[in-house]
This record gives sequence, C-alpha cells and structure tokens, in this order.
Amino acid sequence: EVRLVESGGGLVKPGGSLRLSCVASGLSLNNVWASWVRQVAGEDLEWVGRIKSEIDGGTADFANFVKARFSLSRDHSKNMIYLQMNSLKVEDTGLYYCATVSGSRFEFWGRGVLVTVSS
Amino acid sequence: SYVLSQPPSVSVAPGQTATISCGGDSLGRKSVHWYQQRPGQAPLLVIYSGDDRPSGIPERFSGSTSGDTATLTINRVEVGDEAEYFCQVWDRSSNHYVFGTGTEVTVL
Repeated sequence: EVRLVESGGGLVKPGGSLRLSCVASGLSLNNVWASWVRQVAGEDLEWVGRIKSEIDGGTADFANFVKARFSLSRDHSKNMIYLQMNSLKVEDTGLYYCATVSGSRFEFWGRGVLVTVSS
Repeated sequence: SYVLSQPPSVSVAPGQTATISCGGDSLGRKSVHWYQQRPGQAPLLVIYSGDDRPSGIPERFSGSTSGDTATLTINRVEVGDEAEYFCQVWDRSSNHYVFGTGTEVTVL
C-alpha cells in the first residue's frame, strides 16, 4: 500500500520561509514524478510544482504564481521530497498535498499539511 | 492560461444518475482525469485518461470526452458519493497541471 505523509506546515509571517516534507512508504520517491498541490480556502485545487524522477533528470517545474520563490528537492536515503517555500505571501495560505504523478494524473495523495501565512 | 469550467453543484436522488461536466478549449485532445474529494479528506483519483478506472473504484463511475467537454457519470448514486469532484488535465502549451473549478454533488 502506498502512503504519503506531509509535514512541516505551520504559521509563518509574510516574507518568511517554510520547508514542507513528504515521506513515502510503499514506493520509492526516487523513481516517480512527484508534485505538490494546494487547496486554498478549502475550495480550489492549485498545482504548485513537480519534480521529475531521477531517471528522467530530476528537474522541477512550478506554477506561474511561484515566481522562483519555491524549490523542490529529494533526500534519497530518507525517501522524501521537500518543498522549500520562501518569500511567503498571505495568499500562499492553504492545505498543501504531496502527490505522485503518473502520466499526467495525480495518482496517490497524502492527507495534506496546513500552511498559514499571517502577520 | 488554460481554464477548466465545471458547474458549482449537482443534486441527485439516491439510485439515480449524476452527470458532471468539465469544459475546456479542445478538451477532447487532452487526457482528462477526475478526482473525488469527500469533506476533510484528500482527493482520490476515480477516473483517468478519460474513461479508465483505478483499481478499487466501482464500475458505477465512468468518464467520457467529446469536443470541448468531458463528463463524469455516476450511476446508481449512493449517499457515500456525496463529495466535491474535480476534473484535471496537463496543458502542454504551458507545461502546467490544471484543475477544474469543482462540482459539489449532493445526494438528496
């Protein structure tokens, strides 16, 4: 059974930083494409960014609203991926999900971690 | 940027059929995926690549795409099907993943 667990969320002031983590069991995150998707105001789903598998180059792409503020990385030994978020804005507040990408779909999802950006 | 439009809500009686539409420019040329999100839970993939079901998803769920519209159909609706449903595609021109606006299905 595939399981993804996110952590690292919390309350941060505008302009601050957070690093979200996603650990997997039941699959190797090194061998899959993985994404972060956020849900704002409990409604809309927004794709945040995606990191390709190592064999596909391991590069990352991001939604336009990220504007170079976020980065994605892997820790092979821990089977984890990280979303480093800098220069956070109030509008970045939301529930952030880690998900695996298969083809163009999000196949397995974590339960999400809450990020609140507020002064 | 690419936009996917869904009706905000659909109501259906138990045992009846719910149809949820998703509209987007030239959507028939894209691979459309559907997710179910029950309150307080993460999204769950229920249909992928237009009309395929992941393991464990009941046959009551089906999908189709034609022209600029994709449709998720839920036959013999049950109370447990009450949820928000989102369509999603990958837009090649922007290299972005795009979600629809979501449709809340209420089982009366």
